[in-house]
This record gives sequence, C-alpha cells and structure tokens, in this order.
Amino acid sequence: KAGVTQTPRYLIKTRGQQVTLSCSPISGHRSVSWYQQTPGQGLQFLFEYFSETQRNKGNFPGRFSGRQFSNSRSEMNVSTLELGDSALYLCASSPDRGYTNYGYTFGSGTRLTVV
Amino acid sequence: GNSVTQMEGPVTLSEEAFLTINCTYTATGYPSLFWYVQYPGEGLQLLLKATKADDKGSNKGFEATYRKETTSFHLEKGSVQVSDSAVYFCALKGTNAGKSTFGDGTTLTVKP
Repeated sequence: KAGVTQTPRYLIKTRGQQVTLSCSPISGHRSVSWYQQTPGQGLQFLFEYFSETQRNKGNFPGRFSGRQFSNSRSEMNVSTLELGDSALYLCASSPDRGYTNYGYTFGSGTRLTVV
Repeated sequence: GNSVTQMEGPVTLSEEAFLTINCTYTATGYPSLFWYVQYPGEGLQLLLKATKADDKGSNKGFEATYRKETTSFHLEKGSVQVSDSAVYFCALKGTNAGKSTFGDGTTLTVKP
C-alpha cells in the first residue's frame, strides 16, 4: 500500500512569490490535514479537508489556502510568501474524520525555504 | 481548548537505559491519545495509540497507558537502543476528529 506522497520534497522561493504543494493520501483515506512545522512553533494545524470540503481551519492568514479534489488528493497554496513561511509542511491522511481513534499517516513533507 | 504538554528535552540516555517521556493533556470529553515519532528528514510516524481510559498502547517495545484520572499518557521503554534516537510527539484527537493537537516534541538521543 503506497504511503502519503508529498511533492516536491524541497522548494526554494523568493519573498512575494506564491507556491503550491501537493499531497496524495493513502488510497481510501478521505481526510487530509495540513500542518506547518517550525523549530519555534512546533506543529501548527493549517486546515483539514474531507470530501472536497474544508472542515477545519487553523489560525493562519488568508494567504494560506487549500483544496481537495474528488480523488482525495489535496493541494495547499501560499501566496505572497514571507520569510517566516519557511517551514516543513506536512500532509497527513486518515480514513474518515468521524473516527477519533484513527491516527494520521504523514507524508515526508515539503521543505519550503523563502529567501 | 485542547492542549498537550510534554516534558522538555532534550533527553540523553545510554543504550539499554529506561526511558520515560511525560505527557499530560487537557481536553473536553474523551479524546484518543497518540505518540508519534519523527526521524531526521522525515515526517511523523504513528508509534502507538490508546482510545479510552486505562487502555495501554504498545509497539516496538514502547508502551503508554491512558490515565484519565491524572490526564496523562507517559511514554516508556524498558531498554532503549541507539536507533530510538528521534523526536517524540504526544498528541490527542478530540471530539473534533478533523484536528489533532500536538505537544512540542521531545528529542531523545541514545548513546552507545
């Protein structure tokens, strides 16, 4: 069974640019969540998608957005990049958001560096 | 809101030593509790879980017991190996199952 696939693995962007990150969840998993990981803030929840609908959103500015497609693949977009957006972005999938006893399966992440 | 507090690290142990990483939580209702491990350059991996009070999760020699009375989920291993060196995260998933709350992570280094 293939794991959660995130692309690209590494990305270097300039301030002011925008970026799109992609995540393919485990086959059959309908819930996809995104987290930002930084040394100072730890793991911060960005948003969660289920059946193409955003169900939960963290406390990030509107520059951060996402979407989910009918095949459960998800993308997140960050516009007008700032230096502070440099982080590891992690995608996590789970079978169904209604089941609290399922943990996440994480991808390896996309390391974004903003210069 | 929900919160998870982990013991501060880093933790450095010799091989075959006993490991405890403390984790306490605050949540409404009856959350599920998890431990994740992150190796350098990788995403998090689910290590073990417990979904109700007094449940014990176990995997690869690691154990944690869901203690509702003390709101704790401490991670233990009887004999650590160098390969256990990683960052360990305690997490909970509450009634809003679409979101998990993570602790700050504890870095473990095991020396030969």
